[in-house]
Amino acid sequence: EAGVTQFPSHSVIEKGQTVTLRCDPISGHDNLYWYRRVMGKEIKFLLHFVKESKQDESGMPNNRFLAERTGGTYSTLKVQPAELEDSGVYFCASSQAGDGSKLFFGEGSRLTVL
Amino acid sequence: QKEVEQNSGPLSVPEGAIASLNCTYSDRGSQSFFWYRQYSGKSPELIMSIYSNGDKEDGRFTAQLNKASQYVSLLIRDSQPSDSATYLCAVNLIYGNKLVFGAGTILRVKS
Repeated sequence: EAGVTQFPSHSVIEKGQTVTLRCDPISGHDNLYWYRRVMGKEIKFLLHFVKESKQDESGMPNNRFLAERTGGTYSTLKVQPAELEDSGVYFCASSQAGDGSKLFFGEGSRLTVL
Repeated sequence: QKEVEQNSGPLSVPEGAIASLNCTYSDRGSQSFFWYRQYSGKSPELIMSIYSNGDKEDGRFTAQLNKASQYVSLLIRDSQPSDSATYLCAVNLIYGNKLVFGAGTILRVKS
């Protein structure tokens, strides 16, 4: 069974540009989460989808971040325009349970904003 | 005060020893507790979950939970060099279905 896959694995962009990160969850997992780890800090929650609906987006930093999950399958996270402080590793995770437990993580997309 | 706190380490133990990793949390109402292992550049991998006070054993791993002290620990018996990784403590807070992570403890097992 394929795990959670994320693309790209690493993206380097200039400040002000746009980047779109993609996550393909494990097949059959209705719950999809985005987390972010900035340098030296903890992994922090961004948002939670149940199928195509946003269940909780309380962790989204600001309106430069837009997450979508059309059709309840893969998800995208767009950052527009990117700022220096957006640099970090963006993790996607999926699970069958919606209580935040037993998350399966992808390897992350490392974003570097110059 | 951070919601989940861990000593960043590194914690160095010799091969075959017991590694003890500790974590405290601030929300007394937290119900679910998890330990993830993360190798450098790889995804966090769930290795233990614990929901009630006491010990839970799985192979060489034992998770311990003390809700009164708001303390979770992970013991790794017979540590191996392949156990060298960052260990992340995560707590599911009572008010949401999301995990709050500690910053992680780097474990180094020396052969």
